[in-house]
Amino acid sequence: GQQLNQSPQSMFIQEGEDVSMNCTSSSIFNTWLWYKQDPGEGPVLLIALYKAGELTSNGRLTAQFGITRKDSFLNISASIPSDVGIYFCAEYTGRRALTFGSGTRLQVQP
Amino acid sequence: DTGVSQNPRHKITKRGQNVTFRCDPISEHNRLYWYRQTLGQGPEFLTYFQNEAQLEKSRLLSDRFSAERPKGSFSTLEIQRTEQGDSAMYLCASSPGTENYGYTFGSGTRLTVV
Repeated sequence: GQQLNQSPQSMFIQEGEDVSMNCTSSSIFNTWLWYKQDPGEGPVLLIALYKAGELTSNGRLTAQFGITRKDSFLNISASIPSDVGIYFCAEYTGRRALTFGSGTRLQVQP
Repeated sequence: DTGVSQNPRHKITKRGQNVTFRCDPISEHNRLYWYRQTLGQGPEFLTYFQNEAQLEKSRLLSDRFSAERPKGSFSTLEIQRTEQGDSAMYLCASSPGTENYGYTFGSGTRLTVV
């Protein structure tokens, strides 16, 4: 089946640092979604990308849809403690099903 | 309407018992999804409804699992004869019926089978 490879698996950074994480696939996709999940909660959509090369920002978050349509990255600038959580990339596979990566766990030291 | 609501938040059951979870989607969303998430993994798709019709099912949805959405509003997910491997977070999500927006997820039901 489809697999999304996320890296790094985990990150431990100091407050104020910038963070970058990425997601790659062996298949070409038309949409990239980035979600954040806090402990004990469901994932929350951060950014949706619909076109190759698209660069989209949401506050301190910036995500890009790779030009090959097989990858995407998410950057967080000037991290703060509430950025702690697990970040997932996701793609539509099947008619409406989303396939998620295994996530990047982010910890921020105040 | 404050989002997707799931009940209960936590469920502990003995192996072999049946359990049922409920999901109330955002009221104007006609698509509803069930996912399962085990520790350290991303959510995995189980099934999808458009209104009351169940349109897609994953191979993960064994014959012990059944989902319904009888009136196209709330949905239930039942697991019969639970096994320890069923222990996971069960997430429900909903989306509007027009475009492929990302879903809105509920907070999930955490199932522990002992």
